[in-house]
Amino acid sequence: AQTVTQSQPEMSVQEAETVTLSCTYDTSESDYYLFWYKQPPSRQMILVIRQEAYKQQNATENRFSVNFQKAAKSFSLKISDSQLGDAAMYFCAYRSPTSGTYKYIFGTGTRLKVLA
Amino acid sequence: EPEVTQTPSHQVTQMGQEVILRCVPISNHLYFYWYRQILGQKVEFLVSFYNNEISEKSEIFDDQFSVERPDGSNFTLKIRSTKLEDSAMYFCASSLSHGQGYEQYFGPGTRLTVT
Repeated sequence: AQTVTQSQPEMSVQEAETVTLSCTYDTSESDYYLFWYKQPPSRQMILVIRQEAYKQQNATENRFSVNFQKAAKSFSLKISDSQLGDAAMYFCAYRSPTSGTYKYIFGTGTRLKVLA
Repeated sequence: EPEVTQTPSHQVTQMGQEVILRCVPISNHLYFYWYRQILGQKVEFLVSFYNNEISEKSEIFDDQFSVERPDGSNFTLKIRSTKLEDSAMYFCASSLSHGQGYEQYFGPGTRLTVT
């Protein structure tokens, strides 16, 4: 069975600085999808970025980018030029490509604090 | 931008009572999901629903739980005879499809407290 691990329960970053949130996963599948979701306080989870495992190029979305290391089964999220609005809980998630299996497998989350 | 909504935001119930958690998925979405997160633990998959039937469920989703799409807009999770360990945040999600790139959109959650 697949598992997702986020080893940093909480991280802090100074406004305008860069922070990296780590995520590792375990799977025997060769193709899969990985996601980072952001959950602001009392708000829903929103998708930050996604990565298809067959793509070698790391995904980027504006100030957010990932470092996808398939062999190491690592999927870290880098937030550049951190802003106060980036403060949230961040969840890493895995999804199998297997037909009929659409569920996400989540990590425990990392709470990011942005310091002014 | 369309959002998934959930009601109530917080539900308190006594052990043994039945609760219904409600969700309104995004209107053109076809796949619906429930997840839960016990405090301090991982977000866990409960069930997925498509074409008016359960397409997948986890081992957590036993006979105590049921889901329904009673009309064209609502998607509900019923928990019969609640237990203390059912206390958790319950998230509803929906997706347009299940293929590549069709990510799940999540609601803000319902916090269920069983006393």
